[in-house]
Amino acid sequence: EIVLTQSPGTLSLSPGERATLSCRASQSVSSSYLAWYQQKPGQAPRLLIYGASSRATGIPDRFSGSGSGTDFTLTISRLEPEDFAVYYCQQYGSSPPLFTFGPGTKVDIK
Amino acid sequence: EVQLVQSGAEVKKPGESLKISCKGSGYSFTSYWIGWVRQMPGKGLEWMGIIYPGDSDTRYSPSFQGQVTISADKSISTAYLQWSSLKASDTAMYYCARKQTGGFGYWGQGTLVTVSS
Repeated sequence: EIVLTQSPGTLSLSPGERATLSCRASQSVSSSYLAWYQQKPGQAPRLLIYGASSRATGIPDRFSGSGSGTDFTLTISRLEPEDFAVYYCQQYGSSPPLFTFGPGTKVDIK
Repeated sequence: EVQLVQSGAEVKKPGESLKISCKGSGYSFTSYWIGWVRQMPGKGLEWMGIIYPGDSDTRYSPSFQGQVTISADKSISTAYLQWSSLKASDTAMYYCARKQTGGFGYWGQGTLVTVSS
């Protein structure tokens, strides 16, 4: 079973700053099957990035994803007020459990 | 417009049964996998299982196998998550989500299930 670890647990930043979030897998993950989600309080998650680096429909270009193998990164180039939220990475594999979420990184206002 | 609309919040007692629903619209319901995700209070996302409504092919996370049942009625474009005997530890928000290339692109609004004596 692949385990995803996200760091840091909490990231305290100011609007306009750059956010760099890490997702590390316990074994190699196909880049095609690594996604990132944003969740705001009281809302369902929203798909941001799929295939490690492709933005989902309607996602602003300040969000970017990169990485391969076991190390993946979500970068928010300049934080907007609406970007303060929890971010989850997720992988999709061929053996159970098919989908695994990381524990999340909370980006909060400094 | 693709929409997933879930049934309303539920308050149940331990030992009771429950079936919650997720109705899809705006797309071909039988052509996309629908997954279920649990979020316990203040916690992260956990994938529970997934169903392909076209042929009812269903896969479960080992953590939830035998604990819940996922089904779908394609005639009414609705997927279901059910419990035969609820526990207090089943208290959580439950989301359905449509799988697309690379991830879950559309999500329901969530159904809050509270189990308390």
